[in-house]
Amino acid sequence: DSGVTQTPKHLITATGQRVTLRCSPRSGDLSVYWYQQSLDQGLQFLIQYYNGEERAKGNILERFSAQQFPDLHSELNLSSLELGDSALYFCASSPRQSSGANVLTFGAGSRLTVL
Amino acid sequence: AQKVTQAQTEISVVEKEDVTLDCVYETRDTTYYLFWYKQPPSGELVFLIRRNSFDEQNEISGRYSWNFQKSTSSFNFTITASQVVDSAVYFCALSNQGAQKLVFGQGTRLTINP
Repeated sequence: DSGVTQTPKHLITATGQRVTLRCSPRSGDLSVYWYQQSLDQGLQFLIQYYNGEERAKGNILERFSAQQFPDLHSELNLSSLELGDSALYFCASSPRQSSGANVLTFGAGSRLTVL
Repeated sequence: AQKVTQAQTEISVVEKEDVTLDCVYETRDTTYYLFWYKQPPSGELVFLIRRNSFDEQNEISGRYSWNFQKSTSSFNFTITASQVVDSAVYFCALSNQGAQKLVFGQGTRLTINP
């Protein structure tokens, strides 16, 4: 157990729907990162939050949004879902704000299937 | 732009063989960090090692060893006396000083057959 908790583990939904993925970081970690793993794109960075504030954005679609709450848990909202959004979504956490040396601790992922 | 290339998509070996996973990276920065992560069949990503660009010493941890060569922009990973439990997808990744994200390679699927 990495200490990073993601729910749900699996989610099946239909095109056009909206889902929310939840992440609780490892105790003491202030940074939360979201990554998407798909067969065609591999592992792609989506977004990072530090202590409630957005710190970096990657290849995140406008249909996707995220936030980090005062208790440091984070949610990734995916709307107007398309077949291509089917992927494994990882949350990761690290103690510090911004450093390339950060070792990210990953959760087990949320597997989203859009039918 | 940063880029990580893992040219070996899949490798299959018999247990107890040694196997090397290749990783080649591109970056214009002088300070950067290289990582290896393991993704077993259960799906989670497990951190294995981090190296910074100023430390070219090879590292050994049990049956695992890493060879970092700046001259060839490579950070290769060797498993000695492989075991079935080593079967997984292995990812090499790169980040730059102050960067918020990891850039991952496409991964190498390693299968160790009994």
